[in-house]
Amino acid sequence: NAGVTQTPKFQVLKTGQSMTLQCAQDMNHEYMSWYRQDPGMGLRLIHYSVGAGITDQGEVPNGYNVSRSTTEDFPLRLLSAAPSQTSVYFCASSYSSVGASEQYFGPGTRLTVT
Amino acid sequence: SQQGEEDPQALSIQEGENATMNCSYKTSINNLQWYRQNSGRGLVHLILIRSNEREKHSGRLRVTLDTSKKSSSLLITASRAADTASYFCATEGQGGSEKLVFGKGTKLTVNP
Repeated sequence: NAGVTQTPKFQVLKTGQSMTLQCAQDMNHEYMSWYRQDPGMGLRLIHYSVGAGITDQGEVPNGYNVSRSTTEDFPLRLLSAAPSQTSVYFCASSYSSVGASEQYFGPGTRLTVT
Repeated sequence: SQQGEEDPQALSIQEGENATMNCSYKTSINNLQWYRQNSGRGLVHLILIRSNEREKHSGRLRVTLDTSKKSSSLLITASRAADTASYFCATEGQGGSEKLVFGKGTKLTVNP
């Protein structure tokens, strides 16, 4: 099993550009989440999904879109990048409810917006 | 909204010593989890403890949970340089268990 994979590992964007961060898992997990990690802030939830076709907002959803057309993939779209979106982004998946089961994290995408 | 808060923010010890990190949270929980993050890497799950459990062990790790004080502690015994990492507690956020809320973490340095 590859587990949770994320691409790209690094990305530099100019303000106003858009892009999609890719996340895939091969563990047949229903639950998937996107977090951002900023220095001294811990992880903050952006969006999450409890299954294909179902997504919902987390703590900091503004400026991001998600979709879940398959169980395996959960891409995160930045609509119009802003310097405030400079961060490290982590995707995670779990077999069942996030509170009751182990989260598997991807290696992260380091994004810089200039 | 921050549910869990770790204490201390940073901890530096010598190899072989024990390391204790604490987590306090605000609202009632069903479960609490601890994760480790090595520098530049994703988080790795360590232990999940349920609200009806008081203590749980995994190798050199011991986690306690005191629901009356809304706090948990993570003890790493006989620490090694490889334990150098940041440690986070995570709890279900308010409004449902689909939202996992992380604290800001304790940065542990184990000096050889």
